[in-house]
Amino acid sequence: DVKVTQSSRYLVKRTGEKVFLECVQDMDHENMFWYRQDPGLGLRLIYFSYDVKMKEKGDIPEGYSVSREKKERFSLILESASTNQTSMYLCASSLGGGPDTQYFGPGTRLTVL
Amino acid sequence: QKEVEQNSGPLSVPEGAIASLNCTYSDRVSQSFFWYRQYSGKSPELIMSIYSNGDKEDGRFTAQLNKASQYVSLLIRDSQPSDSATYLCAVRRGSNYKLTFGKGTLLTVNP
Repeated sequence: DVKVTQSSRYLVKRTGEKVFLECVQDMDHENMFWYRQDPGLGLRLIYFSYDVKMKEKGDIPEGYSVSREKKERFSLILESASTNQTSMYLCASSLGGGPDTQYFGPGTRLTVL
Repeated sequence: QKEVEQNSGPLSVPEGAIASLNCTYSDRVSQSFFWYRQYSGKSPELIMSIYSNGDKEDGRFTAQLNKASQYVSLLIRDSQPSDSATYLCAVRRGSNYKLTFGKGTLLTVNP
């Protein structure tokens, strides 16, 4: 079974703090993704990575950065958290090639006060 | 025009009935189609994937794809209360890594 884990289920931070969200997959997947999910807006792609040290912007990259130093780990960084970044953050990974099904982690509910 | 559209619902069906969930997409180059189920407070889990026109069955679930009409649907036979969830349609364009998601349809199965 594919296993995607995220470092925290719930996180509360203050405005202006630097926030790190970590995602780890154990299936040697090439691709990893960060989404946020908000009521009425659905799932929106923030960033994705198709190889170590490679990244591409998704639909809403502003205010975020990412890091992928090892194949199994993909980090999302909020350089200076703001209240409008309060959301559910979901990490996903996919094998790469072919149909390329994405598998999701359990999510991190981030609240920025 | 929205890229992937779903009726937001809620769609309410009685237990044992067939639930029909629909999704339309705008990009004709789309090649891979996925249905995810998401329980409240949980992350999406893959139910079905379909890549060719026609029907694909897996247990009580059937995915239907019509590329000419640009729609994909999910039928759930013998619906159970445990099927109550939000169903997300996702579309992948060619060899692009990116999935585009619809906003989901909330399904409620009433005992």
